[in-house]
This record gives sequence, C-alpha cells and structure tokens, in this order.
Amino acid sequence: DTEVTQTPKHLVMGMTNKKSLKCEQHMGHRAMYWYKQKAKKPPELMFVYSYEKLSINESVPSRFSPECPNSSLLNLHLHALQPEDSALYLCASSQWRGETQYFGPGTRLLVL
Amino acid sequence: GQQLNQSPQSMFIQEGEDVSMNCTSSSIFNTWLWYKQDPGEGPVLLIALYKAGELTSNGRLTAQFGITRKDSFLNISASIPSDVGIYFCAGQKAFGANSKLTFGKGITLSVRP
Repeated sequence: DTEVTQTPKHLVMGMTNKKSLKCEQHMGHRAMYWYKQKAKKPPELMFVYSYEKLSINESVPSRFSPECPNSSLLNLHLHALQPEDSALYLCASSQWRGETQYFGPGTRLLVL
Repeated sequence: GQQLNQSPQSMFIQEGEDVSMNCTSSSIFNTWLWYKQDPGEGPVLLIALYKAGELTSNGRLTAQFGITRKDSFLNISASIPSDVGIYFCAGQKAFGANSKLTFGKGITLSVRP
C-alpha cells in the first residue's frame, strides 16, 4: 500500500481566515513533505519533516505553518493568505529522507 | 533552482502509437523517477530507477537510467486514451540529508482516439 491521503480535497478561504490542511500516511514512512504546485508547473518543495522534526523550510512565508503531531500525520496551518497562494498543495512521504517519494491527491486551495 | 530538461512541452499522438520522452541534466543524479499527473490530482509514481544503466518495465511503460547518470527516458507502448496527462521526470542527487527532488517542467501528453 502506497497511499497518502489529504483532506480537504478543495478549500476556499478568505484572506483573514485560518484553516488547516491535513495529510496522513500509514506506510511507516518517517519523512513527510509539503509541496505547492501552480497549474502546468512542477511541484515546489515547501517543508520537509524527518522523524517528526522540521528539517527543511524552503524560505516559506510565515503565513504557512507546518506541524507534524506524530509519524503518520502532517498538517499545514494557513493564516492571512494572499490570492497568489491559490494552488494545489501536495503532501508526500518517503521511507526516510532521500528515498522515493509518494504523493497524495492534493488539496486545491483558492484564496479570495 | 536547477530543473531537469524535458521537452517538448506538449506531445500529441494517435491511440495505439508508441511514445518516448527524455529527461536530461547537466549534473549527475543517483535516482531517476517518473511521475504521471492527472488534472486536479497528485503525481503518481510510475517507475523508479536506482542504478545507472537500469532498464525497468511497468506494464506498457519502460524507463531507463542513463549510463552517464545525466539522463533518463520513458517509453509508453500502444498508447490508450487514459495515458493522457502530464509526465514529470524527477532526479535525486543523494540519499539522506539535502536529498531534494529536482523536477522537469513536465510533458503534457494528448492521445487522439
């Protein structure tokens, strides 16, 4: 089983809202990732967690706040987003950092 | 940041035809991955390659890890309508620390029935 799940599938939020994206995997993977993807572009890495600790932050604005409550869950907390933050947000996981990554279906975010 | 070279941006083929896609880099990668992405969905791993010269098949898909470790290709044989989508190649330089994926820009494949 190589399944990564993400909720919600779609999200519409205003610029003053606070929302969270959730990602879950039960493959025993110890590395989890957040990516942002604009239409017709490849995914762009945002954050990497390894053994539930943040190991890479790709200079992401503080209005995006990741959290890894346990080895199976990864959250992305959103606050005061801008319309240009509208995108497909992808979660991925791998056995360890540097191993093959498996992506979830993504959350389509629209910021109004 | 660095990107892998994938071209052309779009390919149009007839159902039943074979198609080949290349991915090249100016630097060496230790792992090559091929993903397919349908509209509104996440990338799905098609084939992973871990050794220079490796040739791997997955059904109608065949991919090879170039001997120089600077390129890879993906072949799709006897294309069908559900092969439509965006195909991304991705390379990884090392295991462990600082081992981020580098993606190509993707090739949008259209299959005419």
